[in-house]
Amino acid sequence: GIQVEQSPPDLILQEGANSTLRCNFSDSVNNLQWFHQNPWGQLINLFYIPSGTKQNGRLSATTVATERYSLLYISSSQTTDSGVYFCAVEWDSGYALNFGKGTSLLVTP
Amino acid sequence: GAVVSQHPSWVICKSGTSVKIECRSLDFQATTMFWYRQFPKQSLMLMATSNEGSKATYEQGVEKDKFLINHASLTLSTLTVTSAHPEDSSFYICSARDQGHQPQHFGDGTRLSIL
Repeated sequence: GIQVEQSPPDLILQEGANSTLRCNFSDSVNNLQWFHQNPWGQLINLFYIPSGTKQNGRLSATTVATERYSLLYISSSQTTDSGVYFCAVEWDSGYALNFGKGTSLLVTP
Repeated sequence: GAVVSQHPSWVICKSGTSVKIECRSLDFQATTMFWYRQFPKQSLMLMATSNEGSKATYEQGVEKDKFLINHASLTLSTLTVTSAHPEDSSFYICSARDQGHQPQHFGDGTRLSIL
């Protein structure tokens, strides 16, 4: 199956700092999604981004499908941004998402 | 937007009990739903693909007689953990998609604790 690698595995930021999370994948994909898992386990869908760039408030994401990577940018981080960020890919329509191991983010006051 | 509802959110029960978890697509029909399991501090791992009107497809290492999946309608899939034991304690979460080239939507998950 498709391999999904996320970096860094852990990240500690001071409130207000910016950060970039990376997701590399080993093959062409039909779908790529970024999620934020909160302390209660809920998966919050941040972006559906098989290619291109999208922005939503302080978050933005870029996927370069031809080079098989995606980046998630967090600007002006807040303590509520803490949690685990997952990248997940789907190699073809109708298949399950294959998750990376996640980036655990802690934003300190 | 597409909403997936999962119930219950939390279950605590004795060893040997069977537990049923429901996953519903509230505002769309889903011919395929997916069940994942997540152990503490780990990523989500696919357990099985639930297909409406047919047998589920299980990932390698997942016991189909232990984890019974029923996808009887286009809006409901159920996962039954039969004769649950402490090692089955985990976070179970389902997902579904409205149609092709759309994001997958996840339920809020079920935290299962077997005593």
